[in-house]
Amino acid sequence: DTGVSQDPRHKITKRGQNVTFRCDPISEHNRLYWYRQTLGQGPEFLTYFQNEAQLEKSRLLSDRFSAERPKGSFSTLEIQRTEQGDSAMYLCASSPGTKGLNGYEQYFGPGTRLTVT
Amino acid sequence: LAKTTQPISMDSYEGQEVNITCSHNNIATNDYITWYQQFPSQGPRFIIQGYKTKVTNEVASLFIPADRKSSTLSLPRVSLSDTAVYYCLVGLYNNNDMRFGAGTRLTVKP
Repeated sequence: DTGVSQDPRHKITKRGQNVTFRCDPISEHNRLYWYRQTLGQGPEFLTYFQNEAQLEKSRLLSDRFSAERPKGSFSTLEIQRTEQGDSAMYLCASSPGTKGLNGYEQYFGPGTRLTVT
Repeated sequence: LAKTTQPISMDSYEGQEVNITCSHNNIATNDYITWYQQFPSQGPRFIIQGYKTKVTNEVASLFIPADRKSSTLSLPRVSLSDTAVYYCLVGLYNNNDMRFGAGTRLTVKP
C-alpha cells in the first residue's frame, strides 16, 4: 500500500489550454473523490466515483471539467479551456467504502497544484 | 448537510492539551462527526470520527455531548509537528459529498 498518488505535482499552463491530471488510488479502494482547494480554504468537493461509475458531481462544477475512471482503477480529471480562476490545488482521495465506523475514511493524495497564467 | 462553525485560529505551546470546539447546531440524527488534519502542501488526513459520547484513538479524543450540537477535538500534549489546519465535518458516515469549511489553524509554539 503506497498511498494515493497524483501526477503531476505541479502544472503551469496558459489560459485557454487543456490540462489533465491523474490519480492512482490505494489499490482495492472502490471509491475515488476529486476536490479543489484554494489558498486559505478547505477542500471543495468536485466529484465522486464508485468503481468506474461517476455517481455524484458538484453543481458548482463547470462543464469544462470532466473526470473519468476507466476500469475502476486510476482516474483522470481534465479541465478544458483553462481560466485563471481554475488555479488551485486539485486533490484526489480514495476510500474502501466499507460499512462501519471509519469505513468511509478518505485517504488523500498530495495534490496537483495548477497555475493558470 | 449540517453547517459547522470552528474558531479560525488557535495558539498553543508544546506539551499542552489543545481542545478545538466545533458547533453544528443543525446536525441530523444519522450524522457523524469527523475531523481531518492538513499540513501545508499535503492532502487532509483523517484523525477521528464519532457519533456520540467519547471516542479515543492513538492520536486524539473526540467529545460529543448528549445534544450533539457541538463536539470537541482534544489533542493531548501537542508538539510543534501538530501545527496544522483542523477541519470538522458533519454528515452521514458514508457521506460522499464532504463539505470542508475553512478549518481551525492551530499553531504550536516552543
